[in-house]
Amino acid sequence: DIQMTQSPSSLSASVGDRVTIACRASQSVSSYLNWYQQKPGEAPKLLISAASNLQSGVPSRFSGSGSGTDFTLTISGLQPEDSTTYYCQQSYSVPLTFGQGTKLEIK
Amino acid sequence: EVQLVESGGGLVQPGGSLRLSCAASGFSINTYNMNWVRQAPGKGLQWVSYIRSSGSSIYYADSVKGRFTISRDNAKNSLYLQMNSLRDEDTAVYYCARAGEIWGQGTLVTVSS
Repeated sequence: DIQMTQSPSSLSASVGDRVTIACRASQSVSSYLNWYQQKPGEAPKLLISAASNLQSGVPSRFSGSGSGTDFTLTISGLQPEDSTTYYCQQSYSVPLTFGQGTKLEIK
Repeated sequence: EVQLVESGGGLVQPGGSLRLSCAASGFSINTYNMNWVRQAPGKGLQWVSYIRSSGSSIYYADSVKGRFTISRDNAKNSLYLQMNSLRDEDTAVYYCARAGEIWGQGTLVTVSS
């Protein structure tokens, strides 16, 4: 199984900050990497697919990069509504696996 | 509107069975790969099962293999998850998802005596 490790597990930042969340795969997943945002009591929402493909309707302050084993989710210009949990997921091979999540809080 | 709506969750005793349903609207489930994903209370996301659009490939997480069965009814445009021999650790919100892009609201399964 491919293990996905996110870092940090939690972070605190201020409105307007640039935030980066890292995701590392235990083996190459090419660009088969998705990023999700999940707010409490809600289903996950796909933000970015294929490592860098921003989904329709997702604010342009979100961006993704990377390939192989190392990926990043960047939020440029943090907004209060971005305070929630983010997950990466590899869709390269079964079992599909998620990172453990990164909880983002606003200072 | 493209939508997924799960149902069938509830309280069940260990060793019991439950069948989850996921009704799709706005698209045909037999044209997309579909997944079941679960989330235990306060925990992260865990993929459970996958069925390819063609139906030719089905996969399960090791933790549910032999106990859970994914299926679909194209006429009803619905996805199912038959869960047998349920354990305490199967307690979770279960989501169906169209690939990763469309998710249902989830249905809670509680396994407890």
